[in-house]
Amino acid sequence: DQQVKQNSPSLSVQEGRISILNCDYTNSMFDYFLWYKKYPAEGPTFLISISSIKDKNEDGRFTVFLNKSAKHLSLHIVPSQPGDSAVYFCAALASGDYNQGGKLIFGQGTELSVKP
Amino acid sequence: KAGVTQTPRYLIKTRGQQVTLSCSPISGHRSVSWYQQTPGQGLQFLFEYFSETQRNKGNFPGRFSGRQFSNSRSEMNVSTLELGDSALYLCASSLAQLTDTQYFGPGTRLTVL
Repeated sequence: DQQVKQNSPSLSVQEGRISILNCDYTNSMFDYFLWYKKYPAEGPTFLISISSIKDKNEDGRFTVFLNKSAKHLSLHIVPSQPGDSAVYFCAALASGDYNQGGKLIFGQGTELSVKP
Repeated sequence: KAGVTQTPRYLIKTRGQQVTLSCSPISGHRSVSWYQQTPGQGLQFLFEYFSETQRNKGNFPGRFSGRQFSNSRSEMNVSTLELGDSALYLCASSLAQLTDTQYFGPGTRLTVL
């Protein structure tokens, strides 16, 4: 039972263009979402997050959009750079489980390749 | 500020053996979570410790266990290793709250032969 899904295992984009990574979730209790980036041989690095009270959060070149009715979120990278090439994971949690601890539910990841 | 450190970085074991992995969180962080990453499965939550107590647990068999010490360092143990336990094991630390950013270590690559 995959509660968080990233249906595209890979994405290739030209440098300077927009990269759009998608993520779907099924659990309506999820109310906090995060994106992590992972380079080979390193642990995931936090990128950006969004609470369900918002529908957009922006940080520099990175913007996350949340569509609660569709249970869908996306990460936009504009403009894409070769250094952005990595695996991107979306993750979700239900903050109401306050005493339940840091149980992040991750998607399977999307490998982004940005071509020069 | 030093990041999350995990030891060892690489480990090779045979079926039936047991293994202990170690994680040192960022100074001041009291929550430590463990994840297993395998190809095609993404990252799967194992368990989380806060103030030496297991606060949450994922859907893994009892062969997977952990503990946390008073200095917030954590260990994870896997007994009676199976081939399917071959994976990258990641540890993450955060301050305390559920929505605090989790910072990941580089992981321990476990290979079971």
